[in-house]
Parts: sequence; structure tokens; C-alpha cells
Amino acid sequence: KNQVEQSPQSLIILEGKNCTLQCNYTVSPFSNLRWYKQDTGRGPVSLTIMTFSENTKSNGRYTATLDADTKQSSLHITASQLSDSASYICVVSARGYNKLIFGAGTRLAVHP
Amino acid sequence: EAGVAQSPRYKIIEKRQSVAFWCNPISGHATLYWYQQILGQGPKLLIQFQNNGVVDDSQLPKDRFSAERLKGVDSTLKIQPAKLEDSAVYLCASRTVLGRDSPLHFGNGTRLTVT
Repeated sequence: KNQVEQSPQSLIILEGKNCTLQCNYTVSPFSNLRWYKQDTGRGPVSLTIMTFSENTKSNGRYTATLDADTKQSSLHITASQLSDSASYICVVSARGYNKLIFGAGTRLAVHP
Repeated sequence: EAGVAQSPRYKIIEKRQSVAFWCNPISGHATLYWYQQILGQGPKLLIQFQNNGVVDDSQLPKDRFSAERLKGVDSTLKIQPAKLEDSAVYLCASRTVLGRDSPLHFGNGTRLTVT
């Protein structure tokens, strides 16, 4: 069964600290993995996409990694800011099936 | 470019009443999705359209939910009659069909409360 599991469910960090969010998937055949950021009361917005051949990709203070062998991805946030407080959702696309499998998200709170 | 527009932003109804949500996708986006997001969970697909045809409605509770996309542009999602468990945020998203790796563009959703 195609599944995406994210951990932790929620996380509280102090402003300026780093954190890492995890995404494990069992989607097959794998096409790509995308991280979305969802601010409270808003729709999700894409942060980055990881394809099979990519190991690491950065977007400002966000760095995503992908290990296709272990079917794991991580999203690392450096020097967190209050505006990073949001839910982060991992979405995996199954190749050839036109299906997107959503994780439940990690709710991040950055405190001053 | 203008984003995905949804209305209303909030709706409060009593159980057994009906409600409708409206979505206007990004211009030129052939693929349109409706998702249900319950608090603390990830979005769950209700229905996917390609132009004005239904691609996937396997998780749509068809006894009470219906959706249409006339002329392949705007879309409406209706619930009749509503149940307490329908309380959620209903998100509309669109995507260009040209690239399967292209991201979903979400609207800000309609928050439905059923009392």
C-alpha cells in the first residue's frame, strides 16, 4: 500500500535554531517527492521537488535530501525564523499512476 | 499570475443543510483537484478533473458530495446533506497538464463548520 509517514508530528524550537523534518514513504514506482509549506489559514505552497537522481537540493534556508534506497527524505531548516512556523507536508508522486500521496504533515512552531 | 481563488472563506451550517464551494483555478491549468483537510491531517483527495472530465473520484462520498467543472474552468463542490464529520477545510488546487512534475497551486481553502 502506498503510504507517506512524517515525523515528528509536531516540533517546537527557538528562533535561530536548526531543525530536521523526516518523511518515509513506501510509494512504488517512485516518481518524485515534493515538500510543501502550509501557513495557518492558507493553502500549501511548494518548497522543493526531489527526483530519483537527486540527493540534495537547497532553497534558501531549506535543504531537502532524498535517499531513494531507504525511501527517506528530510527537510532541514537552518537558522529558523518566526515565519517558519507552519505545517510541512511531504507529497510523493507515483510514476505512471497520476497519484499524489500526502503525508499528515509536521507542525513546526518557532518561538522567540 | 493570479492564484487559485476560492469562496467563501468560511461557512457555518447546521447538519443536514446543504453547502456549495466555488473554485477558480489558475488560467490555463487543465487539472483541478478538490481536497478535504481535517484539522491536524494532510489533505485527502476528493475528486480530480482533467479539463471538464473526471479523472479520479474514488474517495468522493457520492451519496452526499457532488462536484462539477463546467466548461473546464471554474468548479463547484456541493455537500447535501452535511454531517458533523464534514467539518474541515476544503482546498482547491490546480496544475498545468504539461508537466507531471509541476507543483500543485492551492487556494486558501474554505473552512466549513457543521453544527
